[in-house]
Amino acid sequence: DIQMTQSPSSLSASVGDRVTITCRASQSISTYLNWHQQKPGNAPKPLIYAASSLQSGVPSRFSGSGSGTDFTLTITSLQPEDFATYYCQQSYSMPPTFGGGTKVEIK
Amino acid sequence: QVQLVQSGAEVKKPGSSVKVSCKASGGPFRSYSINWLRQAPGQGLEWMGGLIPMLGTPNYAQKFQGRVTITADELSNTAYMELTGLGSEDTAVYYCARGGTLMVCDHWGQGTLVTVSP
Repeated sequence: DIQMTQSPSSLSASVGDRVTITCRASQSISTYLNWHQQKPGNAPKPLIYAASSLQSGVPSRFSGSGSGTDFTLTITSLQPEDFATYYCQQSYSMPPTFGGGTKVEIK
Repeated sequence: QVQLVQSGAEVKKPGSSVKVSCKASGGPFRSYSINWLRQAPGQGLEWMGGLIPMLGTPNYAQKFQGRVTITADELSNTAYMELTGLGSEDTAVYYCARGGTLMVCDHWGQGTLVTVSP
């Protein structure tokens, strides 16, 4: 199975900050990388697919980049509703696997 | 608008089985994948398996082979996940998720909490 490693596992940030989360795959996955946002008690919400394409309705302050093994999720100007846990997920080969998550907390 | 509605919370005894349903509406059913994932308390997301109804044959994660059965009823646009031989480690929220392929999760159900307790 492809291992997905996220860093950091948690971070504290203020409203308006720029936040970057990284995700590394144990082997090349091209751009078969998706990002999901999860708030406590809720189901995950898809944010980005194919490494850099925003899902419908996702604000433009979210962006994704990368290919191969290294990927980033960037949130420019963090908003109160962005405090959540973010997961990367590879859809390159079976079984699909997720990173351990990055919890974005209020500083 | 695609919507996935799952069945309600369950409390099960160790060694028993649970069957969770996921009813889809607002879009095609048979040509899209239905994936099943779970999330143990305070933990991350784990893919259990999935199927594309029109293809019929499900795929399962090796970890759950022999214990999980995923099916779909095209007449009612409902998918099911049955997990047998429950243990305390199976206490988790179980999600269904739909996507264009087996590994894609573009729409999620609300989740079903399964608690395994003596």
